[in-house]
Amino acid sequence: GQQLNQSPQSMFIQEGEDVSMNCTSSSIFNTWLWYKQEPGEGPVLLIALYKAGELTSNGRLTAQFGITRKDSFLNISASIPSDVGIYFCAGHLAGGTSYGKLTFGQGTILTVHP
Amino acid sequence: DGGITQSPKYLFRKEGQNVTLSCEQNLNHDAMYWYRQDPGQGLRLIYYSQIVNDFQKGDIAEGYSVSREKKESFPLTVTSAQKNPTAFYLCASSITGTGGLDTQYFGPGTRLTVL
Repeated sequence: GQQLNQSPQSMFIQEGEDVSMNCTSSSIFNTWLWYKQEPGEGPVLLIALYKAGELTSNGRLTAQFGITRKDSFLNISASIPSDVGIYFCAGHLAGGTSYGKLTFGQGTILTVHP
Repeated sequence: DGGITQSPKYLFRKEGQNVTLSCEQNLNHDAMYWYRQDPGQGLRLIYYSQIVNDFQKGDIAEGYSVSREKKESFPLTVTSAQKNPTAFYLCASSITGTGGLDTQYFGPGTRLTVL
């Protein structure tokens, strides 16, 4: 099925550093969602983006819906140890099925060293 | 508190046995979903339901079955026909399940191990 290319696959950073990750696709998306998943838990929604060009912040997190509607990025500023987890992008394909099927990226594993 | 609950958190079964995973939501959402997650991979859709008494196959439905008799509940049965059932199973729900503005919220997951 349709895949989102999420990068990087993993990141090892020092506490206090900024983080950037992104998702790209050859197809157009109507929405972009960013989730965080901690070990053994379900994904938690961080940010939802609904319009091309939209830039939205949630505390130290900022995400943007690319103008071409084929990409999105997530930035985390001044990382802290509790930012550790797997970050997933997901989106609804334009012209897709009538139900709310989400296409997921494969995740970015973030490790923060104190 | 409103949310999605899944039980049990951990489940062990012998090969060849059917097993049912529970998912309940009190968010008054119409749509519910089941996903499977394997190590190092994204989420793959097993089944979804947009309304009570109706459900559709997702991308990897073989070896699984579901029912949707109540709005709040969407149990998943992993049958003996599923070749590789050991995985982390996630349930999600959304308000309408009918389009791009419909955000999905996830439960805490059930880790199934088949021995």
